Amino acid sequence: ELKVEQNPLFLSMQEGKNYTIYCNYSTTSDRLYWYRQDPGKSLESLFVLLSNGAVKQEGRLMASLDTKARLSTLHITAAVHDLSATYFCAVVSPPAGNNRKLIWGLGTSLAVNP
Amino acid sequence: DTGVSQNPRHKITKRGQNVTFRCDPISEHNRLYWYRQTLGQGPEFLTYFQNEAQLEKSRLLSDRFSAERPKGSFSTLEIQRTEQGDSAMYLCASSSVWDRGFSSSYEQYFGPGTRLTVT
Repeated sequence: ELKVEQNPLFLSMQEGKNYTIYCNYSTTSDRLYWYRQDPGKSLESLFVLLSNGAVKQEGRLMASLDTKARLSTLHITAAVHDLSATYFCAVVSPPAGNNRKLIWGLGTSLAVNP
Repeated sequence: DTGVSQNPRHKITKRGQNVTFRCDPISEHNRLYWYRQTLGQGPEFLTYFQNEAQLEKSRLLSDRFSAERPKGSFSTLEIQRTEQGDSAMYLCASSSVWDRGFSSSYEQYFGPGTRLTVT
């Protein structure tokens, strides 16, 4: 059974600093997604990573995927307060007929302080 | 607006009452998912449909929960005899799942959620 682990689960950082959130998964998968959720709001798709070595960047966020290590990272550069949110990674479950679906991590709650 | 919509956005009910939520997915999407989320947790999978067929239901899901997607478009989630532990945000998501050889997409688009409070 595919399991997805994120760490850290809570992260408090200062504005201007850099940090990385990690997402490990337990079995082979070829698709990984990062989502953002603001408090009391729904989830917003950030990145879709489709192949080994994929790297995507949007503003101060950069996501990468290493399918051999079963690891994705979400790197935050020069954090600003607006990035405060919970970040989830989700991995597509291994092929099983028609029932592939997303398996979710617990999320990383990020607070960026002045 | 062509995103996923959910109604109602908020529902307060007394324990023991039945509630029904509706989700309207993005129109061309063939898959529809229901999740439950409590404070500080990730989305907990409840069930999903491909077109009108319910393909999977979580083993954790009580038989008080039922979902339908009768015409492969909108879906309803009903909770019977609500309990205080049912208080949560109920999220609906849709996706256009296609799988052609090495190409596939499972990206899910979420609605705003229905926040249920059971008193």
